Amino acid sequence: EDQVTQSPEALRLQEGESSSLNCSYTVSGLRGLFWYRQDPGKGPEFLFTLYSAGEEKEKERLKATLTKKESFLHITAPKPEDSATYLCAVPFGNEKLTFGTGTRLTIIP
Amino acid sequence: DGGITQSPKYLFRKEGQNVTLSCEQNLNHDAMYWYRQDPGQGLRLIYYSQIVNDFQKGDIAEGYSVSREKKESFPLTVTSAQKNPTAFYLCASSMTGWGNQPQHFGDGTRLSIL
Repeated sequence: EDQVTQSPEALRLQEGESSSLNCSYTVSGLRGLFWYRQDPGKGPEFLFTLYSAGEEKEKERLKATLTKKESFLHITAPKPEDSATYLCAVPFGNEKLTFGTGTRLTIIP
Repeated sequence: DGGITQSPKYLFRKEGQNVTLSCEQNLNHDAMYWYRQDPGQGLRLIYYSQIVNDFQKGDIAEGYSVSREKKESFPLTVTSAQKNPTAFYLCASSMTGWGNQPQHFGDGTRLSIL
């Protein structure tokens, strides 16, 4: 069964405390993996696309990495404004994305 | 600025009533999508359209209908047949309908039952 699993469900960090979020998937022939950030009451904001194992993308304090079975979103020295829900999504089949349920990240000042 | 506009932001439905959610994009994207988001669940696909005048059912299409008469517009109607319509509805678009393209989202419509 096609599945995208994110962990942990929720994560609370002190400001400046680095950590990683995980997105694991079951699909053969990965054709891409997407990371999004979602603030309360808003639509998801696109962050990164990763296409092949070993690929890395960075944006400010965020770095996304990809292996054959999972992706990590590393957050370095986070600030309170990084608090949000982070979603990953994987295409299964030619047309549709399957989304994980997200990790709710809270950064405490 | 290019983007996706959803309206209204909040919508209330009476029992037995159909309501229509608007989604407009000026990104010149071919493909458009409607998702439903419930607490604790991932985004679930309702309908999608890869090209004008064509659309396909997603995973939870029952009780919903769509049209795609113009490239920039993809309205969603929540019919009275949808018995649990209370949710956050998100519209998205992508450059093409191939799943390896990122989707870009509007800011959603929250639908509640009166």
